[in-house]
Amino acid sequence: GQQLNQSPQSMFIQEGEDVSMNCTSSSIFNTWLWYKQDPGEGPVLLIALYKAGELTSNGRLTAQFGITRKDSFLNISASIPSDVGIYFCAGQGGTSYGKLTFGQGTILTVHP
Amino acid sequence: ETGVTQTPRHLVMGMTNKKSLKCEQHLGHNAMYWYKQSAKKPLELMFVYSLEERVENNSVPSRFSPECPNSSHLFLHLHTLQPEDSALYLCASSQDHGAGGGGTQYFGPGTRLLVL
Repeated sequence: GQQLNQSPQSMFIQEGEDVSMNCTSSSIFNTWLWYKQDPGEGPVLLIALYKAGELTSNGRLTAQFGITRKDSFLNISASIPSDVGIYFCAGQGGTSYGKLTFGQGTILTVHP
Repeated sequence: ETGVTQTPRHLVMGMTNKKSLKCEQHLGHNAMYWYKQSAKKPLELMFVYSLEERVENNSVPSRFSPECPNSSHLFLHLHTLQPEDSALYLCASSQDHGAGGGGTQYFGPGTRLLVL
């Protein structure tokens, strides 16, 4: 089946630093999504990418849909303490319903 | 209420109990999903309902039984669970576009389940 490799698994950074994480897949996806999950809550959608090569920003977040359609990255600039959480990438294939394949998650810790 | 809601938020049950998890979406979507999230594992898709029909059952044991009475409500009935079933159970919804593909999924807050 489809698998996503997300890296790094965890990051410990200082407030103000930039962060980068990525996902790679053995299969092509039509859509890439990035979610953030806070403790005890469900994942919240951050950015959705629908087209190969697309670069999309949402405030301090920027994500790109790889040209090969097998990878995506998420950058967070000038991190702040509330950026702490688990970040998941998810790929959506060609099924008529929105079946997602999730990465393992990146745990982000930001030290003030 | 807005978005996707789930009740209860926390549940402790014995292995012989029967309980149900409830999900409700207020987004006008036509597809709903159950996921299981265990520690240090990716989210695992359990069931998908599109237009109130089950379109995917991802090899889930029969002690989990989903029900989708209408496009806004989704239940997960639990019976004789095992301790390894303890996890966060997440519901999501999206707007299916048929041949045009699935829409973006929006998640509820989850039910934290502990099986003793």
